[in-house]
Amino acid sequence: EPEVTQTPSHQVTQMGQEVILRCVPISNHLYFYWYRQILGQKVEFLVSFYNNEISEKSEIFDDQFSVERPDGSNFTLKIRSTKLEDSAMYFCASRIDSNSGNTIYFGEGSWLTVV
Amino acid sequence: GQNIDQPTEMTATEGAIVQINCTYQTSGFNGLFWYQQHAGEAPTFLSYNVLDGLEEKGRFSSFLSRSKGYSYLLLKELQMKDSASYLCAVTESNYQLIWGAGTKLIIKP
Repeated sequence: EPEVTQTPSHQVTQMGQEVILRCVPISNHLYFYWYRQILGQKVEFLVSFYNNEISEKSEIFDDQFSVERPDGSNFTLKIRSTKLEDSAMYFCASRIDSNSGNTIYFGEGSWLTVV
Repeated sequence: GQNIDQPTEMTATEGAIVQINCTYQTSGFNGLFWYQQHAGEAPTFLSYNVLDGLEEKGRFSSFLSRSKGYSYLLLKELQMKDSASYLCAVTESNYQLIWGAGTKLIIKP
C-alpha cells in the first residue's frame, strides 16, 4: 500500500536554529498537510497546500513557519528559528483530491526536540 | 466556536464491546473521521461518516447524527491490540481536520 514517508524520524536542535522537516506524499495525491502533536496533547492543524500554494493555515502557522514543494515530490516544513515550545511530533499527510470523504493518509511523523 | 468533546479515558475487557462517544460544535460540517493512534505513532484511519446512520467495517462501526452533533465509534470483540487512543475529527472544509483530544482506551484481560 502506498504511504507517506517523512524524514527525519527524530531531530534534536538548539533553540534558535532552523529546521527542515521533509515529507514525500503519496504520488498521485494533490492535497498536502502538516499537523503537529505536542506530547500528551491533541493533534493540531498547521497548514494545507494545494496547487503549489497554501490553501489554509492555522494561527499556529506564523511567520517562522513556511512550506515548500521544491521538486514535485518532496513537501517540506521549515521552522526558521525554533523555540522550546516547537517541540512536538510533526505529521505530514496527503489526500488524493478534494472529495472530503477521501482518507487523509498520515506519515509516521518527525519528532522534533528543541533544547 | 469550534469544540469537539470525547471522554478522556475508557477501560474495557478483552472480548467485550465498547462505545466511544464524540460530540461536536463546529461552524460547518463536511464529515467526521475516526482515527486510531498508538502512543508515539501516527493516526491511522478507521472510518468516515458524512450522512446520518451507521457505517460498519468489520469489528468497528461508526454512527453519526448531524442534527445532534454526535457520533460514536463501536468496537466489538475487543483485542489487546485495540488499546490505543481513538481520535474524533471533523472536517469543516476540504482542507483541514479539527481534532478532539482523543479517548485513551485501556483493554484489560
